[in-house]
Amino acid sequence: GQSLEQPSEVTAVEGAIVQINCTYQTSGFYGLSWYQQHDGGAPTFLSYNALDGLEETGRFSSFLSRSDSYGYLLLQELQMKDSASYFCAVRDLQGFMTGTASKLTFGTGTRLQVTL
Amino acid sequence: GAGVSQSPSNKVTEKGKDVELRCDPISGHTALYWYRQSLGQGLEFLIYFQGNSAPDKSGLPSDRFSAERTGGSVSTLTIQRTQQEDSAVYLCASTHTPGLDEQYFGPGTRLTVT
Repeated sequence: GQSLEQPSEVTAVEGAIVQINCTYQTSGFYGLSWYQQHDGGAPTFLSYNALDGLEETGRFSSFLSRSDSYGYLLLQELQMKDSASYFCAVRDLQGFMTGTASKLTFGTGTRLQVTL
Repeated sequence: GAGVSQSPSNKVTEKGKDVELRCDPISGHTALYWYRQSLGQGLEFLIYFQGNSAPDKSGLPSDRFSAERTGGSVSTLTIQRTQQEDSAVYLCASTHTPGLDEQYFGPGTRLTVT
């Protein structure tokens, strides 16, 4: 089975940098993803790490250390619109009848509040 | 192009009734997922369809839950004899290629069982 741990809430001021950590325990691991969800909205994809290291996409970066079963999402130059919940998710591959399937197991999410 | 759509957006039903939730994935997407999200919680995987393969039903919480995908496109999630604990937002997502990670989510159906 899979389990993921993230902080439940984080508060930061506009313009600052915030790091949201995620630790995971999995029976099989093929990558760590991050999704953003605004209140009442659908989750939207932010980033994906299959290999160790840092992936940068604009103001957002994501890091993975497979040996530590740990990753984080780094948000820079915070804006009020970044106030949302952020979920890490692990992807696993399992044998399927005719190919490979991939499903995501999500963490319980970190609620980020950006203040003035 | 159109994104993933779900209907209805809200559904209020009485305990014991059956409900059907619909998902229209992005055209051409071969993989379709159903998740459930309770208030303030993460997403709980329910079921996954890939092409014509048998679905992965490992996340369905009980035999009251079932889903089908007709013609490799539209999917319907059915909950029979609804219980209050079934109240949640039911989210559908699709991907073009199962091995890729990015899932495109619909707006969800908020189900309230009274």
